[in-house]
Amino acid sequence: DAGVIQSPRHEVTEMGQEVTLRCKPISGHDYLFWYRQTMMRGLELLIYFNNNVPIDDSGMPEDRFSAKMPNASFSTLKIQPSEPRDSAVYFCASSTRDKNTEAFFGQGTRLTVV
Amino acid sequence: AQSVTQPDIHITVSEGASLELRCNYSYGATPYLFWYVQSPGQGLQLLLKYFSGDTLVQGIKGFEAEFKRSQSSFNLRKPSVHWSDAAEYFCAVGSNAGKSTFGDGTTLTVKP
Repeated sequence: DAGVIQSPRHEVTEMGQEVTLRCKPISGHDYLFWYRQTMMRGLELLIYFNNNVPIDDSGMPEDRFSAKMPNASFSTLKIQPSEPRDSAVYFCASSTRDKNTEAFFGQGTRLTVV
Repeated sequence: AQSVTQPDIHITVSEGASLELRCNYSYGATPYLFWYVQSPGQGLQLLLKYFSGDTLVQGIKGFEAEFKRSQSSFNLRKPSVHWSDAAEYFCAVGSNAGKSTFGDGTTLTVKP
């Protein structure tokens, strides 16, 4: 298996622009998580899905952030409009209860908003 | 609410020396505990996990961790550190590996 795949690996955008981050979880995993990592706040859970349904989005910082999971093999995290303080590394992870709930992380998307 | 404290932000050890990274947690029930490692520019990789049973858990790359309920700790150890172990290490607690609370991480530097 190729693991969790995120794209793009790096994204540089101007303030005010829309940014879309993409994630393909491991096939067969029914949980998908979006995390944000910054120096100041560490690793924060933004939102997670179970069977494509958002379960907890309490970590989403503002209405500018939205996440979707239209099917079991694809999820997006969108920021509109983007701001410099959104600059961070965004990780997607997936897991399944059948595997003792171990989470598998993608390599992340480094977002820079200038 | 669950929380994780990694008291050491940065640790430096000599190659070949032993290592112990500290982790203290707060959780209302029997915790699921994890240690992850992150190399620069990479995602997090699971080193080991504890759900139940033997409190001494063996992981990959020669790492082990011991769950001590009385101390609410889950410290990571390695008897002899290699230069390739230099990375950031995260302890996490939760009921599901993905929906976990992570510590702030400990950066390990290995001196030649």
